[in-house]
Amino acid sequence: SQQGEEDPQALSIQEGENATMNCSYKTSINNLQWYRQNSGRGLVHLILIRSNEREKHSGRLRVTLDTSKKSSSLLITASRAADTASYFCATDARETSGSRLTFGEGTQLTVNP
Amino acid sequence: KAGVTQTPRYLIKTRGQQVTLSCSPISGHRSVSWYQQTPGQGLQFLFEYFSETQRNKGNFPGRFSGRQFSNSRSEMNVSTLELGDSALYLCASSLEGSRGYEQYFGPGTRLTVT
Repeated sequence: SQQGEEDPQALSIQEGENATMNCSYKTSINNLQWYRQNSGRGLVHLILIRSNEREKHSGRLRVTLDTSKKSSSLLITASRAADTASYFCATDARETSGSRLTFGEGTQLTVNP
Repeated sequence: KAGVTQTPRYLIKTRGQQVTLSCSPISGHRSVSWYQQTPGQGLQFLFEYFSETQRNKGNFPGRFSGRQFSNSRSEMNVSTLELGDSALYLCASSLEGSRGYEQYFGPGTRLTVT
């Protein structure tokens, strides 16, 4: 099963509103990454936050990480119709070497114009 | 800089056949990972290659294999295809691996097994 669980599974908002997605994971991690996927296409990297960081910003994106609760959240401010996509969190477990991302189930975000 | 490319983009095969998918990473990237995405199981890690060596392997049967060439290009092969192998296969490249480095994904190969 997926290590990560995302909440909510689906989110529908109006343009201009903020969207918050949550991710929980089970093991100790090196970093956590958020990706966006448009309708069955490739994944686009949004932001990476390391285990020793608590918050990170990139444009309209704000990511928080709470390693004590093994959870992260992605906030998209002032959403646009173009933000409609699936959003996935992915973790890089501490005990693995190299690259092995474990993905959450994803949140389907719909931004209505 | 060119992105990650995957060929072919779409593929239709019948049960029992085998298939080879190709991935060209971003120039200078040495790590290539493969993922399978299905509606039921989501995104699952297949394997990772780094400098022509398999560095990590997911929980997939031996019918799934891969390799990496000296120019970092990678191929994955699925033998004796089953209906359940129908999926979007994504490859990702990064400089050294996900540890502290972002992964860049290709557009994927959509495999349909009939």
